[in-house]
Order: sequence, then structure tokens, then C-alpha cells
Amino acid sequence: EPEVTQTPSHQVTQMGQEVILRCVPISNHLYFYWYRQILGQKVEFLVSFYNNEISEKSEIFDDQFSVERPDGSNFTLKIRSTKLEDSAMYFCASSNGQGNSPLHFGNGTRLTVT
Amino acid sequence: DAKTTQPPSMDCAEGRAANLPCNHSTISGNEYVYWYRQIHSQGPQYIIHGLKNNETNEMASLIITEDRKSSTLILPHATLRDTAVYYCIVRVGDTGFQKLVFGTGTRLLVSP
Repeated sequence: EPEVTQTPSHQVTQMGQEVILRCVPISNHLYFYWYRQILGQKVEFLVSFYNNEISEKSEIFDDQFSVERPDGSNFTLKIRSTKLEDSAMYFCASSNGQGNSPLHFGNGTRLTVT
Repeated sequence: DAKTTQPPSMDCAEGRAANLPCNHSTISGNEYVYWYRQIHSQGPQYIIHGLKNNETNEMASLIITEDRKSSTLILPHATLRDTAVYYCIVRVGDTGFQKLVFGTGTRLLVSP
């Protein structure tokens, strides 16, 4: 069964550094999402992306965050200058956008900011 | 999207059926009920969804009441690997962009 893959599984970075989290969505999917989950808290929506532009973003997704689909297969989340509070699990998801079809999530990247 | 209410935790013996309830009394006519689960810190895993008819797949069954104000996810023969947080989410089943809003879910513990 096709799946969403994310790399790396764990990223450690120092405060103020830039990080790029990578995702390969399911191949025929057109809608892409990033969610995050701070340890012990809810899964929170960050951003959705379709047709090379952001469809919606949450209040969390400020100017430090950006997303890109650099080629036909990858979808990336960049954090320009990481803060301690960015430490979380980051989940990529994709959907084909047809009717009520569900989102499919990757297994996440654990980002630790020290 | 309509709000959902789930019990914070439930226990189930291995091999028995796990019945996870969800209340969504403000659901509207075009909103679907979706169930996801999250095992430990893995990504949310899609389980099943439905509009008004009962649904079954290889993972679970979804029973939706006739008035659609509540539903039950049934894992017919729970195993230890079914220990997870289960999320009931209600959203419109439009084409296109499908944002999910996760609550706190039900933490299901399956014991030997």
C-alpha cells in the first residue's frame, strides 16, 4: 500500500539554525499538509498546500515557516530560525482531494531544538 | 466542522471487541465522521469513515446512529497492537482541501 514517507526520522538542531523537513507524499495525491504535535499535546494543523501555493495556514505558521514542492515528488517544511518551542513531532500528510477521501499521514520527524 | 466528544480513556481485554463511542450532536447533513488512531508517537493512521450508513473494512466497523448524533468504532477482536489514541473527527466531505482538527481522543489500552 502506498505511504507517505518522511525524512529524517529525528533531527537535532541548535536554536537559531535553519532546518528542512522532507516528505514524499503518495504519488497521485495533490493536496499536502503539515501538522505538528508538541510532546503530550494535540496534533495541530500548520499548513495546507495545493497547486504550488498555500491553501490555508494556522496562527502557528508564522514568517519563520515556509513550504515548498521543489520537484514532482518532494514536499518540504523549512523553519528559518528555530526556537526551543519548535521542538515537536512534525507530520506530513497528503490526500487526493476527491470527495470524502481521507488524509494519509507519514510517521513524522521528531525535531529537537537545543 | 462539528465538535466531537469522546471518553478520555477505555480499557479492553485482548481478543474482546473494543467499542469506542463518539458524540457529535451538532453534526450537519454534509459532514462525515472520520476515525484515526495514533500508536505511541507515530503519525495518525486513518481507520474508517462514514456519512450515515454503517461501514466496515479490514480494520474496524463504524456504526452511526440514525439521527447521526453519535457513532461507535468497533474493533472486533482487539489485540495488544490496537493500544493507541483514537480520534473521532467530523468534517465536510468536499472535494479538495481537507483540514482535520484533532481533539484529545480516547486512549485505548488493550491488556492481555
